[in-house]
Amino acid sequence: GAGVSQTPSNKVTEKGKYVELRCDPISGHTALYWYRQSLGQGPEFLIYFQGTGAADDSGLPNDRFFAVRPEGSVSTLKIQRTERGDSAVYLCASSLNRANTGELFFGEGSRLTVL
Amino acid sequence: AQTVTQSQPEMSVQEAETVTLSCTYDTSENNYYLFWYKQPPSRQMILVIRQEAYKQQNATENRFSVNFQKAAKSFSLKISDSQLGDTAMYFCAFMIDDKIIFGKGTRLHILP
Repeated sequence: GAGVSQTPSNKVTEKGKYVELRCDPISGHTALYWYRQSLGQGPEFLIYFQGTGAADDSGLPNDRFFAVRPEGSVSTLKIQRTERGDSAVYLCASSLNRANTGELFFGEGSRLTVL
Repeated sequence: AQTVTQSQPEMSVQEAETVTLSCTYDTSENNYYLFWYKQPPSRQMILVIRQEAYKQQNATENRFSVNFQKAAKSFSLKISDSQLGDTAMYFCAFMIDDKIIFGKGTRLHILP
């Protein structure tokens, strides 16, 4: 596609439910990042994929968060047993290869609200 | 720990004026990249400018330029001839080991 696409753009769920957020990167981009942005804060790193493998998942806050990228393209961020503190905008970004140029192309984000 | 600090939560300037956004960072590494990203109200982040730490020359992109002081670990962004479309959140960031770390941002308002 022309840009990074994230779905859904908005998701409202109840505490304790399971949520999946999808990211479709720019075609041909091998690097994919997930960030979380709380209100009034900068993006917080969650996980980075190079191809199909998670090269760095040190930002995942706990074991309720998991992300996959099985074919090296689309990625899904999965959150189990959601908590109110998980409410945030989840940003996905992709880069042509290893992000050594630093130019990440971001999607518009998925706003998650946990009631 | 590697951190990025933006000490100005919010700024306002008149259209056509010049404005400087401050950023300091902390790392023990010698090779890294620094960036400024813009996030307009639409939420989509856009790269404004980048600087390689090994380069002494300050990066420039049209009306945007940086003042990179490696020893002081300072990386400020100057916007010249500011325009209404420059209104946005601006995030300073640096990259090390393929991971990009962002500051908390500065909300910039350009006033007509």
